Amino acid sequence: AQSVTQLDSHVSVSEGTPVLLRCNYSSSYSPSLFWYVQHPNKGLQLLLKYTSAATLVKGINGFEAEFKKSETSFHLTKPSAHMSDAAEYFCVVSGRSSASKIIFGSGTRLSIRP
Amino acid sequence: SQTIHQWPATLVQPVGSPLSLECTVEGTSNPNLYWYRQAAGRGLQLLFYSVGIGQISSEVPQNLSASRPQDRQFILSSKKLLLSDSGFYLCACSGQGGMNTEAFFGQGTRLTVV
Repeated sequence: AQSVTQLDSHVSVSEGTPVLLRCNYSSSYSPSLFWYVQHPNKGLQLLLKYTSAATLVKGINGFEAEFKKSETSFHLTKPSAHMSDAAEYFCVVSGRSSASKIIFGSGTRLSIRP
Repeated sequence: SQTIHQWPATLVQPVGSPLSLECTVEGTSNPNLYWYRQAAGRGLQLLFYSVGIGQISSEVPQNLSASRPQDRQFILSSKKLLLSDSGFYLCACSGQGGMNTEAFFGQGTRLTVV
């Protein structure tokens, strides 16, 4: 079975400063991991995904995440926050078998201060 | 890539009325299908999960049911809506395991029960 924990329900940073959104996962097998973003009243957009290739994954809009098996973590980072990054971010885990479910974390709301 | 059609986009229904939300998938065959609900200010909760026609797993006890009459059709239903059924409902699909577990989402249905 898989599960995912987003450690912060709300993160607030100043524009131009680094962003760190934390995610820990639990999986019986090698997982696939994803980050999705949801802007207010919009649908879900895939930021990036890890599927056992390089452990450092680069996504859209300058975001990246590093898969650390020893720490069971998949934290999302960005060097410099932009006002347009304000949104809800979801960490997602899935297994590799045909019956694997896609499980969402509870979400982290990112606020950007001017 | 897969495309998901989900309708309607918004719906206002009185308490006690029936519900039927439909989701169809294009661009893939034999997908895993999912219904999620997002209550106000909350994360995405997995409601139902299907790996094939007629195969439905219910994740949480509730007032809703799901059916999969065709390979690429997934229906969410209720015989009598409750106020607590209000929320944002998302249909999703993914490939059957392996490297193809990325989820694709419909645009969602915002349901308000009054």
